[in-house]
Amino acid sequence: NAGVMQNPRHLVRRRGQEARLRCSPVKGHSHVYWYRQLPEEGLKFMVYLQKENIIDESGMPKERFSAEFPKEGPSILRIQQVVRGDSAAYFCASSPPSGGLGDTEAFFGQGTRLTVV
Amino acid sequence: GESVGLHLPTLSVQEGDNSIINCAYSNSASDYFIWYKQESGKGPQFIIDIRSNMDKRQGQRVTVLLNKTVKHLSLQIAATQPGDSAVYFCAEKYDNFNKFYFGSGTKLNVKP
Repeated sequence: NAGVMQNPRHLVRRRGQEARLRCSPVKGHSHVYWYRQLPEEGLKFMVYLQKENIIDESGMPKERFSAEFPKEGPSILRIQQVVRGDSAAYFCASSPPSGGLGDTEAFFGQGTRLTVV
Repeated sequence: GESVGLHLPTLSVQEGDNSIINCAYSNSASDYFIWYKQESGKGPQFIIDIRSNMDKRQGQRVTVLLNKTVKHLSLQIAATQPGDSAVYFCAEKYDNFNKFYFGSGTKLNVKP
C-alpha cells in the first residue's frame, strides 16, 4: 500500500522557468493538500483540493502559482516564472473522505525540493 | 494565518532521559491536534493526535497533553533514543476541513 508519492524529489529551475510538482495521494484518498516549507521553518498551508475542485486556496500566492487535482492522475502544483524566493520544500498530504468531520490524519509525502538558480 | 507557535526551538537531551516538547496555540476554536516528527530530508510523520474533548492521550513511549485553558500542547517522549532526533511539529485544525496549521518546530537532539 503505497503512501503519498511526490516527484521529482529534487528539482532545479532557472529563474523565469516553470516548475511542475506532482503528487499521487494514498490510494482511496480524495483530499490533497500542498504545503511549503522554508529551511528551519514550519509548513505553510497553500491549497486544499478534492478531485476536480479547489476547496481552499487561501495560502496560495496570488500570482504564478496554481494547483489542480484532475479526475484522473496526480495533483499538480505549478509555479510559473520561478524566482529565487520560490526555493523551498513543497510537501503534499492526502487524507480520506472525512464525512464532513475532518478529524483524520493527513499523510505526507517525502516532498519536492525546489531550487531556483 | 498561522496560529501555532513553539516555546523552544532546540532541545538537547541525554539518551534515556524523558523529553518534553511544548507548543502554544492561539485559536480557541481548534478542535484537533497532531504531533508530527520530521527527520532530515523527509516528510512529516504522524506521531500522535488528540481531540479537544480530551486532555491526555498516550501512545507507545509518547504522551500528548492538552491544556485548553492556557491553549498549550505538549509532547512527552519517554526514554528518549537517538532515533528520536528530529524536528517535531505540532499542528492544529479548527475548521471542518482537514487543513492543518503548523508551528515552526522544535529540533530535538539526543546525545548518546
